[in-house]
This record gives sequence, C-alpha cells and structure tokens, in this order.
Amino acid sequence: DIQMTQSPSSLSASVGDRVTITCRASQSISSYLNWYQQKPGKAPKLLIYAASSLQSGVPSRFSGSGSGTDFTLTISSLQPEDFATYYCQQSYSTPYDFGPGTKVDIK
Amino acid sequence: QVQLQESGPGLVKPSQTLSLTCTVSGGSISSGSYYWSWIRQPAGKGLEWIGRIYTSGSTNYNPSLKSRVTISVDTSKNQFSLKLSSVTAADTAVYYCAREWEFSDLYYFDYWGQGTLVTVSS
Repeated sequence: DIQMTQSPSSLSASVGDRVTITCRASQSISSYLNWYQQKPGKAPKLLIYAASSLQSGVPSRFSGSGSGTDFTLTISSLQPEDFATYYCQQSYSTPYDFGPGTKVDIK
Repeated sequence: QVQLQESGPGLVKPSQTLSLTCTVSGGSISSGSYYWSWIRQPAGKGLEWIGRIYTSGSTNYNPSLKSRVTISVDTSKNQFSLKLSSVTAADTAVYYCAREWEFSDLYYFDYWGQGTLVTVSS
C-alpha cells in the first residue's frame, strides 16, 4: 500500500501570506495526487486534482505542483476563508490513502 | 448539481453491523464514469478510505477493513450502501459518501455528502 505523509502538521500564518504545504508518497505515484480543503464540521472540498489541475470554481491563488513522490500545495496570498485543514490523497492505486492533514490557522 | 446524502442509525451497539445508505440526487448513479465511495473520519483525526463500487457492481475495499465491509448499489433507487460488521468503538466516526470521477485517467472525489456521525456504544 502507498502511504502519504504531509508537512508541516500545522502552521500559523497571516492574511496575505504565501503558504506552502508538502506531501510525500512512499513510492512514485506519477501525478495521481489530489488536494482537499476541510473546514470544521464540513466535508472535504476538492481543490487540485492530478497534482496541478485546479478544480472548477476554486480560486486561482491555490496551485499544486510535483510528480513522482513529492508534491506541493501553495496558497499565494492567504485569505480569511482559507483557514482550514488540507489533505493530500493518492489516486494511483487502491487502497487510496490520505495524508494526515495540515491545519492552517491564524497567527 | 449532484448531491449526496448519507442516512442511517447514529448509534450502533458493539459487535453489531453498521448500515448506511447514500442517496444520490441531481444525476443518475448509473450514468457516466464514476465510482461511489465510502470514507470515514474519527473525531479529530484524518480521512480513511473504506471502499468503492462501480455501477457494474464491481468493488474495491481497503484491506484493513475488507473482512468486515460490504458495499452495494441499488440503481433503481439511485442509492449505494455500506455495511460494516462486528463494529467496535474504533469504528466510531463521521462517515462520508463520495463520488469519484474516473475518466481520462483521472481519479478524484469531486462530490461529497455532508457526513453522518456513527457512534459505537452500548
């Protein structure tokens, strides 16, 4: 099974900051990597699929990059509504695995 | 707009079977290239993929739960269901149903239900 890790597990940032979250797979997953945002009490929301493709309706301040085993989610200018937990997920093979999450809160 | 809604008992006794249903609206569960998945999240923890079903009836399960899980689909009701047997307190979680896009070598969860909390307790 493919295991996903994320770093950091949490971070504090201010509105307007550039934020970068890293996700690593235990083996190469090509570009089969998705990113989700989850707010408390809500279901996850798809942000990025196939490592770098922006889901329809998602603001362009979100971007993704990487391939193989190392991936990055970047928020170019953090907005108040972006404070949430972010999860990566490999879709290379089942069983699918999600990263443990990165909580972004207000500094 | 596709919508998914989970339903089922919020409280299950230990050793019994957890049963949940996901009702899909705004589109046919049989149309398109989609898998239909169950995912769970214990309080304060991360997401765990439980398994999925294709409209043909083919399934994939997480090996960690495979011996206890059954996912089925009822196309006439536009629903799919989860059964998890021999539950323990460790199965207490919010359970989500989700649609997985499967097309052009892309796979991702694009629509999710709101989630339903299932507590295992006597």
